[in-house]
Amino acid sequence: GAVVSQHPSWVICKSGTSVKIECRSLDFQATTMFWYRQFPKKSLMLMATSNEGSKATYEQGVEKDKFLINHASLTLSTLTVTSAHPEDSSFYICSARESSGGGNEQFFGPGTRLTVL
Amino acid sequence: AQSVTQLDSQVPVFEEAPVELRCNYSSSVSVYLFWYVQYPNQGLQLLLKYLSGSTLVKGINGFEAEFNKSQTSFHLRKPSVHISDTAEYFCAVKGAGSYQLTFGKGTKLSVIP
Repeated sequence: GAVVSQHPSWVICKSGTSVKIECRSLDFQATTMFWYRQFPKKSLMLMATSNEGSKATYEQGVEKDKFLINHASLTLSTLTVTSAHPEDSSFYICSARESSGGGNEQFFGPGTRLTVL
Repeated sequence: AQSVTQLDSQVPVFEEAPVELRCNYSSSVSVYLFWYVQYPNQGLQLLLKYLSGSTLVKGINGFEAEFNKSQTSFHLRKPSVHISDTAEYFCAVKGAGSYQLTFGKGTKLSVIP
């Protein structure tokens, strides 16, 4: 149980295009999902917290207009990198907090490797 | 706010030797503590967690960790490592009443045959 999937697992795009990454909780409902960014050989940096049916809460320094987050259902959150540039190349990981059971644990997706040329 | 310090960025160890990966945290509230493992180009997998109760926590793959409140530590241990344990290990803390995890910078464990 408690499986989180991400799609795509990797994507290569041209500079200036937009890329959408999906995060799904497969066997549980997730009121809250989190989006992280991980630079090479670095830790995870929380980008934003996504709550179903409401606007995402972005961390300081994260451009909300560049990284659009939508959490339209209890099992799906999407991150759209708009007008991507090479500096946006990174490993993006989502996690989901189960709605029931206290919610102390986050379940992580396998990550999406974004390369912007 | 919480913070996590992983004192060792890299730990090389011979196969079948014991290993300890250190983690210290700071927080003004009570905390929940986690250790995650990340294999190359993959997401994070939960190794173990401390929520309450016994301070010695056993996890998957033979790992265990001990919560020490007085020393604000949550060190990860394994008595005998295997080649397959080579990976990046992250310690994380969540404050009571918060949903957010704060991660340490990670420790790369390299098991030498």
